[in-house]
Amino acid sequence: DVLMTQTPVSLPVSLGGQVSISCRSSQSLVHSDGNTYLHWYLQKPGQSPQLLIYRVSNRFSGVPDRFSGSGSGTDFTLKISRVEPEDLGVYYCLQSTHFPPTFGSGTKLEIK
Amino acid sequence: QIQLVQSGPEVKKPGESVKISCKASGYTFTQAGMQWLKQAQGKSLKWMGWINTNTGKTTYAADFTGRFVFSLETSASTAYLQITNLKNEDMATYFCARWGFDYWGQGVMVTVSS
Repeated sequence: DVLMTQTPVSLPVSLGGQVSISCRSSQSLVHSDGNTYLHWYLQKPGQSPQLLIYRVSNRFSGVPDRFSGSGSGTDFTLKISRVEPEDLGVYYCLQSTHFPPTFGSGTKLEIK
Repeated sequence: QIQLVQSGPEVKKPGESVKISCKASGYTFTQAGMQWLKQAQGKSLKWMGWINTNTGKTTYAADFTGRFVFSLETSASTAYLQITNLKNEDMATYFCARWGFDYWGQGVMVTVSS
């Protein structure tokens, strides 16, 4: 299975600040169809994960432009600017290029 | 709007069975497969497998063979996860998610306790 290594585990942030979360895969996530199936989610306490970014850098419907994704191959980053209270929770990366789909271990964004 | 609504929390004893539902609305049920995922308390997510909502064909992850069964009631736009012979390690929240992992159910917490 593809191992997804997410860092940091915990990320203290001041409201209005900017943070980056890293996700590294144990093998390239470029699919044979040319797409890279790396996605980012936010899971707020007591809720299901909500899709933020799909295929590396595409914002899902309704996601503010404060969220941006980048990267290629095995190295990916989620950037959050102007952090707001509703951004707090656990962020996960997911790869669905290779079978089986696998998730990162999560990054908890919390107030400094 | 697309919604996946799951059944309510369950409390079971070891050895019992549980069946969780996931009712889809807002799209054509048979046009997107349904994924199932497990999340133990405080842990990351684990993919259990998926069911093709058009053909009923199922695919299970290696850790979820034998006691786990995905099924459909297509006329009701509903997918099911059944777990038999429950063990302590099955205690978790179970999510359904549409094929592209874009829409998720709210999750069902399954408690296994004697």
